[in-house]
Amino acid sequence: DTEVTQTPKHLVMGMTNKKSLKCEQHMGHRAMYWYKQKAKKPPELMFVYSYEKLSINESVPSRFSPECPNSSLLNLHLHALQPEDSALYLCASSQDTLAGGSTDTQYFGPGTRLTVL
Amino acid sequence: GNSVTQMEGPVTLSEEAFLTINCTYTATGYPSLFWYVQYPGEGLQLLLKATKADDKGSNKGFEATYRKETTSFHLEKGSVQVSDSAVYFCAYHFNKFYFGSGTKLNVKP
Repeated sequence: DTEVTQTPKHLVMGMTNKKSLKCEQHMGHRAMYWYKQKAKKPPELMFVYSYEKLSINESVPSRFSPECPNSSLLNLHLHALQPEDSALYLCASSQDTLAGGSTDTQYFGPGTRLTVL
Repeated sequence: GNSVTQMEGPVTLSEEAFLTINCTYTATGYPSLFWYVQYPGEGLQLLLKATKADDKGSNKGFEATYRKETTSFHLEKGSVQVSDSAVYFCAYHFNKFYFGSGTKLNVKP
């Protein structure tokens, strides 16, 4: 099974709301990722968790707050977002971090379509 | 620096036509190479991969060969179907994933 699940599938929120995106995998993967994808663009890396610790933050604004409660779960907490944050948010996982020379594969979830009004 | 370059889309083909989507990369070392496919409204799905020079990845009739000498990983399919209509991303990883800009494929009946 190579499934990564994400909830909710769609989310509409106002700029003053607080919401969370959830991601889950049961493949025993130790690295998990959040990406943001705008229409007609490739995914942009936001955060990487390795062994439940934040290892990469690609200079993401603090209104996005990631959390990794355990090795199977990854959350993205959202607060005071802007309309330009509307996008598809993708979660992914891999067996281990993608260190140089690794042949590992990254598996993606179906995404959460976020609209900020 | 590190980058992936894909041919501009959209690519429009008739059913049963031959498909080539070009991909070249600039990377440090010899990374693993991937093609991902994204159907409308969905996440990215791994289509195929190759981990070393001259390896051929294949899946669902799609193929791509890791060419170290030309730093390329072109995607091919002998006979496309309407159901292949999607956006295709070439990618490699070396400490992080590097994606191409994506190529949209439209297959008409």
